[in-house]
Amino acid sequence: NAGVTQTPKFQVLKTGQSMTLQCAQDMNHEYMSWYRQDPGMGLRLIHYSVGAGITDQGEVPNGYNVSRSTTEDFPLRLLSAAPSQTSVYFCASSYKSWGNTEAFFGQGTRLTVV
Amino acid sequence: ILNVEQSPQSLHVQEGDSTNFTCSFPSSNFYALHWYRWETAKSPEALFVMTLNGDEKKKGRISATLNTKEGYSYLYIKGSQPEDSATYLCAPRDGGSQGNLIFGKGTKLSVKP
Repeated sequence: NAGVTQTPKFQVLKTGQSMTLQCAQDMNHEYMSWYRQDPGMGLRLIHYSVGAGITDQGEVPNGYNVSRSTTEDFPLRLLSAAPSQTSVYFCASSYKSWGNTEAFFGQGTRLTVV
Repeated sequence: ILNVEQSPQSLHVQEGDSTNFTCSFPSSNFYALHWYRWETAKSPEALFVMTLNGDEKKKGRISATLNTKEGYSYLYIKGSQPEDSATYLCAPRDGGSQGNLIFGKGTKLSVKP
């Protein structure tokens, strides 16, 4: 059982470049989300999805796009990378509502924008 | 966005010590509270999901209590071991309809042998 798989694990981008962080889960979870983790900050929600075809913004959505064409996949796109987007990104999924079922996290993607 | 406070920020204890941390959150419109354990270079893993006022959960030497009326939860570790060294995160569910988890900054525990 793979759980939540994120790729790549590490990435270095130049300012202005675009890229997609991949997230896939094999647990048939409805809820998926992307968080970023910065020093001294908690995990902050970027975007989330409550099911295929449905996405919404979280706390810090600017500069990121998402889509959810299938239940399994929830890619995060950086449109034009900026140094402020240097961070560790985590994808998470949950069977139903976050409230009463635990979230499962991917291993994280460490992104550096130079 | 919920205001979630965790204290202390960091804690250094000796092996065998018992310790506890606090998570404070708005008590209005409470739905659920999660605790996660996050080891360095790994991903957060769920410890507890708590929904009822007065709830107590236990997993080995780790236990948690929940007070939804006053908006706090305690996490206890009995007889800390070096392998307990990690950051412990609490995350109440946002009271909005989508119910996202809002994470605190965590308490970083270091246990010296």
